Amino acid sequence: DAMVIQNPRYQVTQFGKPVTLSCSQTLNHNVMYWYQQKSSQAPKLLFHYYDKDFNNEADTPDNFQSRRPNTSFCFLDIRSPGLGDAAMYLCATSRPGGRDNEQFFGPGTRLTVL
Amino acid sequence: GENVEQHPSTLSVQEGDSAVIKCTYSDSASNYFPWYKQELGKRPQLIIDIRSNVGEKKDQRIAVTLNKTAKHFSLHITETQPEDSAVYFCAARNSGGYQKVTFGTGTKLQVIP
Repeated sequence: DAMVIQNPRYQVTQFGKPVTLSCSQTLNHNVMYWYQQKSSQAPKLLFHYYDKDFNNEADTPDNFQSRRPNTSFCFLDIRSPGLGDAAMYLCATSRPGGRDNEQFFGPGTRLTVL
Repeated sequence: GENVEQHPSTLSVQEGDSAVIKCTYSDSASNYFPWYKQELGKRPQLIIDIRSNVGEKKDQRIAVTLNKTAKHFSLHITETQPEDSAVYFCAARNSGGYQKVTFGTGTKLQVIP
């Protein structure tokens, strides 16, 4: 059963054309993360939500925004994609505390910018 | 903030040999250390993790050790197989309320049949 779902799996957009990536989870986890991963590099944290508290990384470009309308859904908005934003975008969730520390990753959305 | 360093960046071993990947972290408040395996085009998959109150953990051919004093932790894979070939990432997560995870730079492991 899918636990962290990302849509679409592949997204092609044009330079400067806004795009939204979505993530949903069936785990009821408090924390949701968005990572950007470029080829041969580690996942780079863009931001994360702890419940409704939004935490932006200092080096995340202003071009990237996020919304979390409820526990299950989280969106990544790229307002004006540039060629350098082409990457795999990974959503992940975790539940703090207890014995369950694991971070669950979605399958990712591969973004191509033309 | 947390800084996680990982070595080596690439590692080639003969099938059946052992592989060791090492990481160091900077924030003494980090208390959870997962290791991920990522195959080409796929999501990172958790293979083993360790909490800061434990020094060693083993799961079949995979083991992780943690030295809190020195702030380093290592992944050990014994009896390597070709299907172990992948990129491995270590990570550290803080103990604070915001659950921030910091990844190492990755190790590309190649197991030669």
